[in-house]
Amino acid sequence: GAVVSQHPSRVICKSGTSVKIECRSLDFQATTMFWYRQFPKKSLMLMATSNEGSKATYEQGVEKDKFLINHASLTLSTLTVTSAHPEDSSFYICSADREYEQYFGPGTRLTVT
Amino acid sequence: DAKTTQPPSMDCAEGRAANLPCNHSTISGNEYVYWYRQIHSQGPQYIIHGLKNNETNEMASLIITEDRKSSTLILPHATLRDTAVYYCIVRSPLRQGGKLIFGQGTELSVKP
Repeated sequence: GAVVSQHPSRVICKSGTSVKIECRSLDFQATTMFWYRQFPKKSLMLMATSNEGSKATYEQGVEKDKFLINHASLTLSTLTVTSAHPEDSSFYICSADREYEQYFGPGTRLTVT
Repeated sequence: DAKTTQPPSMDCAEGRAANLPCNHSTISGNEYVYWYRQIHSQGPQYIIHGLKNNETNEMASLIITEDRKSSTLILPHATLRDTAVYYCIVRSPLRQGGKLIFGQGTELSVKP
């Protein structure tokens, strides 16, 4: 199947700093990518839809100025958590659409201290 | 997007078939039924999807009722590696939004 990668897999940062997470589709081009977050023992929550060459569409309640999404090419989307706080600590997962299937990355564990 | 209802947890004996039910009584005519699973601390894995007809692939079978209000995912010979949270999701075509909205899923435990 298609492969989606994320980098880094784990990151620890200090409160107030910004963190960038990359999502790449390795063997296909993805016009649309999605970003999710997942808290422990909870389901995935869709944060935003990222479309190549245009602004991301954020789900209700997700702060677009805090979670900056850039989809500059057909194989790369980035999520930047700005001015991170401990409550932003979570598992962030991206996915990319290919025909009828949506392929997920392995996730990035963010810990804000 | 239509919502789905799944039992929170199920057990299955290794080697036996695992039958995971899902209710989606408000599904629209152009919405697909998708199944994904998530093994602890990993990204979700696609299993199968269908619109009206039953579907089978190397991982599982998907049985959709004639009225499309419910479906069952069947893992024919469950192994310990099938222990995971299984999500049933109803999804509109990508050109109409196509977002995957995850519910709480069913935590399947396969036991020796």
